Amino acid sequence: KAGVTQTPRYLIKTRGQQVTLSCSPISGHRSVSWYQQTPGQGLQFLFEYFSETQRNKGNFPGRFSGRQFSNSRSEMNVSTLELGDSALYLCASSFTISSGGTDTQYFGPGTRLTVL
Amino acid sequence: AQSVTQLDSQVPVFEEAPVELRCNYSSSVSVYLFWYVQYPNQGLQLLLKYLSGSTLVKGINGFEAEFNKSQTSFHLRKPSVHISDTAEYFCAVTGYQKVTFGTGTKLQVIP
Repeated sequence: KAGVTQTPRYLIKTRGQQVTLSCSPISGHRSVSWYQQTPGQGLQFLFEYFSETQRNKGNFPGRFSGRQFSNSRSEMNVSTLELGDSALYLCASSFTISSGGTDTQYFGPGTRLTVL
Repeated sequence: AQSVTQLDSQVPVFEEAPVELRCNYSSSVSVYLFWYVQYPNQGLQLLLKYLSGSTLVKGINGFEAEFNKSQTSFHLRKPSVHISDTAEYFCAVTGYQKVTFGTGTKLQVIP
């Protein structure tokens, strides 16, 4: 079974631009979660989508948004990029809702975003 | 509120020595507990998880963890580490509609 894939793997943008990251979950998984990982803050939960609906949201500004398609693929968008948005963005999929649940999350390799 | 504390940001240990990575949590609801490992330039992968039942949980690569409700801890242990265990380890808890990760512990295995 193919794992979670994320594209692109690396991205360089400048302040003020916007970016879209993509995540394809494991086949059959309906939940996709997004995390931001930075050396100072560790792993911060962004949001979780299940069956095209946002089920849970972390404490991030509205510049961070996402969506999920009917095939469970998900995209995350960050508008008006700031220097502090430089991070590794990880996507994780699970069969059921993982927030607050027992399901194991399967992580992709991440997208390394650098904002100049 | 729900939180996870990994007290040690880095743990150096000699090869074939035992290691314990500490994790403490707080939550007002019942939780489920996880340990994930992240190798360089990779995403996280599950080592083990505690959902219910026996408080001693065995995972992959010879790791195990013990759930201690009274001390609200879920420490990860391995009796003999290998060079290949060099990685960052994350403790996570899931509670009421929320998942929280610790800040991670970097395990450095010294040959």
